Order: sequence, then structure tokens, then C-alpha cells
Amino acid sequence: GAVVSQHPSWVICKSGTSVKIECRSLDFQATTMFWYRQFPKQSLMLMATSNEGSKATYEQGVEKDKFLINHASLTLSTLTVTSAHPEDSSFYICSAALRDRVSEQYFGPGTRLTVT
Amino acid sequence: QKEVEQNSGPLSVPEGAIASLNCTYSDRGSQSFFWYRQYSGKSPELIMSIYSNGDKEDGRFTAQLNKASQYVSLLIRDSQPSDSATYLCAVGNYNQGGKLIFGQGTELSVKP
Repeated sequence: GAVVSQHPSWVICKSGTSVKIECRSLDFQATTMFWYRQFPKQSLMLMATSNEGSKATYEQGVEKDKFLINHASLTLSTLTVTSAHPEDSSFYICSAALRDRVSEQYFGPGTRLTVT
Repeated sequence: QKEVEQNSGPLSVPEGAIASLNCTYSDRGSQSFFWYRQYSGKSPELIMSIYSNGDKEDGRFTAQLNKASQYVSLLIRDSQPSDSATYLCAVGNYNQGGKLIFGQGTELSVKP
């Protein structure tokens, strides 16, 4: 149980374009989902917390207009990287938490984004 | 600044030995503690969760928690080369909306 999927697993896009990443909880309902990014040899950096039906809460320093997050249902959250630049190239990972154990996060397989 | 510190790696152990990974945290209000395993190029995988003081065993893995000392550890018995990965300690506080604070990770290498 507690399976989280992400799509796409990797994407290459041109500078200035937008990319949407989907995160789905497959076998449970996730009231809360989280979005992280990870650079090589570094730990996870939390970008935002996404709650179903409400606006995402962004961490300090994360541009909300650049990283658009939508959590439209209990099983789906999306991250859209708008006007992507090469410095946005990174490994983006979502996680989903069980309703009654909100800190117990299960991670999706990640999306590797390369902006050329 | 709430912090989670892990012993610096890389940690190298021979196959069959016990690997010991340590973690300390600064937020005394923390209630949930997790160990994640991350293989190179992959996302983290939850391997252990612990919520109360003492030991919790699951197969070859044992998590130990001491809230008074603000210390959590992970023991891996009979280490296998497939255990070679980076291990992330994560600490949660329900008052933080489920957010986890991650340590920097300890890279474990199990030599055949």
C-alpha cells in the first residue's frame, strides 16, 4: 500500500516554456501532498505543502508564481514550472501523507527536469 | 532553526556486519521520526517509522529513539551490498502541518 506515482519521470524542455508534473496517490487518499526538489549530492529541499481544496503553502524563498501548485482532489496534485530556465533543472519529487499520519510521507519516483 | 544532524559519511562496512546510523534533532516538540533509504538517482523510500521511546524492529532493521537525548538511530544487521545507499533521517512535528525536517543523509557502502 501507500503507492505514489509521478508523471513524467523525466522531461526536457526549452527555456521559457512551462512544464507540468503530476503526482498521484494510487491506493490511498492524501489530504496533504508535498513538493521537493533535490540537487545532486544534496538533501531534499521542501518547496511547498499542498492541501486538497486550498492554496498551497510555499517555503521561504520559493516563488509561488513560478512554481504553481494545484491539489484538485484527494489523489492528485500538480506542479507547474512556468517560464522554465536552466537553473530550474533539478529532480522534483512529490510525497503524499496518509490522512491520520500526516508526517508519514510516501514519495513518488521523482521527475528529472532538464531545461535547455 | 530546527535542525536534524546525521553522522557524516560515507560509512563503509563489510558484508554481514552491523551498520549503525545516527541522528540528532533540535526540536523537543518532535513527535514522529523516520528513516528513508535513497538509492542514487532514485527517490526516498520509507523503511522505518518510530513514534515512542525504545526500539522498533522490522526484519534486519532496528530503529531506536531516545527523546530525552533527542537522538534516533538505525541499525542494519547482516548488511548486504544492496543496502548501499544514502539514509535520510527525518523528523516531524504535527504542529508543523506534517512537514518533515530532513538530515543531510549518511551514505552507506557495504563491501562484499
